Amino acid sequence: DSGVTQTPKHLITATGQRVTLRCSPRSGDLSVYWYQQSLDQGLQFLIQYYNGEERAKGNILERFSAQQFPDLHSELNLSSLELGDSALYFCASSPSVARTENTEAFFGQGTRLTVV
Amino acid sequence: QKEVEQDPGPLSVPEGAIVSLNCTYSNSAFQYFMWYRQYSRKGPELLMYTYSSGNKEDGRFTAQVDKSSKYISLFIRDSQPSDSATYLCAMSPDNTDKLIFGTGTRLQVFP
Repeated sequence: DSGVTQTPKHLITATGQRVTLRCSPRSGDLSVYWYQQSLDQGLQFLIQYYNGEERAKGNILERFSAQQFPDLHSELNLSSLELGDSALYFCASSPSVARTENTEAFFGQGTRLTVV
Repeated sequence: QKEVEQDPGPLSVPEGAIVSLNCTYSNSAFQYFMWYRQYSRKGPELLMYTYSSGNKEDGRFTAQVDKSSKYISLFIRDSQPSDSATYLCAMSPDNTDKLIFGTGTRLQVFP
């Protein structure tokens, strides 16, 4: 168990809908990263938050948004869902903004999103 | 062309074999190189972390980075059925920047 908790584990929803994925980082970790993993694209970085502030942005669509709350948990909001958004969404957390061998991110078990 | 290329496999080997997993990349700015292991229905877990070129060994695992060839490798000695997983390479130019992942190589070690 990595200590990173993601809910829900599975989500099935229809096209055009909006969903919220939740992530609780490991105790003491200030950085939260969101990744999308699909069969054809692999694992892709979406966005990073550090202590409540957006830190880095990757290939995140405009229909997607995220935030990190004062208690450090994070939510990823996906709206106007399309079939192609079906994927595994992972959250990872680390203690600091910089990744070193001792502060590398730990991943949660992911949320499997299916858009039908 | 993707920034990081990785053979998807699957790679099937007998127990005890030496396994070689590889990634090539195109961005010469990459300085930080990692290997992750991902079991089915689990999140990736960090296996090896390397900065710049050279080798790093940890138990049965050895990571190699050849920046001149833009090529990284992970060797697994005395492979075990418990090593059966997908192995992802990842890299970044900066340790505060986003990681770029390969698509992963699925490894199966049979008894």
